[in-house]
Amino acid sequence: AQSVAQPEDQVNVAEGNPLTVKCTYSVSGNPYLFWYVQYPNRGLQFLLKYITGDNLVKGSYGFEAEFNKSQTSFHLKKPSALVSDSALYFCAVDDYKLSFGAGTTVTVRA
Amino acid sequence: DTAVSQTPKYLVTQMGNDKSIKCEQNLGHDTMYWYKQDSKKFLKIMFSYNNKELIINETVPNRFSPKSPDKAHLNLHINSLELGDSAVYFCASSQNRDRAEYGYTFGSGTRLTVV
Repeated sequence: AQSVAQPEDQVNVAEGNPLTVKCTYSVSGNPYLFWYVQYPNRGLQFLLKYITGDNLVKGSYGFEAEFNKSQTSFHLKKPSALVSDSALYFCAVDDYKLSFGAGTTVTVRA
Repeated sequence: DTAVSQTPKYLVTQMGNDKSIKCEQNLGHDTMYWYKQDSKKFLKIMFSYNNKELIINETVPNRFSPKSPDKAHLNLHINSLELGDSAVYFCASSQNRDRAEYGYTFGSGTRLTVV
């Protein structure tokens, strides 16, 4: 079965600092990888996906993610975090359905 | 227009009751899904329908019964509700049953509270 893992329950950063949310994957074949964000009491919003092509994927709200095959990672990054980026972030793998990681709560302090 | 809409947004009910959650998508997608988000925020697939045909049925109590009257609608009926059914239920859709090159679109969720 294909799966993803998010090793950090929480990430805390100061506004203006770089933000990284980690994700590793375990898949056979070519992975389809996604990042979603969930704001409090809201639904899931799509940020970006990796299907094939460039290893650096750019997404919504200034986020990007780097697909690293040798490290089986797909970390989400933002060069300069905003307080409004505080939310719950999910990495997911598409195995004809989405299988999600456990989520990482990001808190950006002013 | 909302792409994937769920009703109701909130549902509070007593143990033992039967309730339904409705989902509709106006994206023209063939495939729809139900996900459950528990109190720890874990998200897990429950069911998937492709053009009215059940294609994914994870290990879910048979008190949960999905129904898809057409490919734009996927409803979730729950019998004999239990406290442990309290969760947020998300509906989603994708273009077809293949891996979603164009992504998945989620509804805003239905928060079910069983008291």
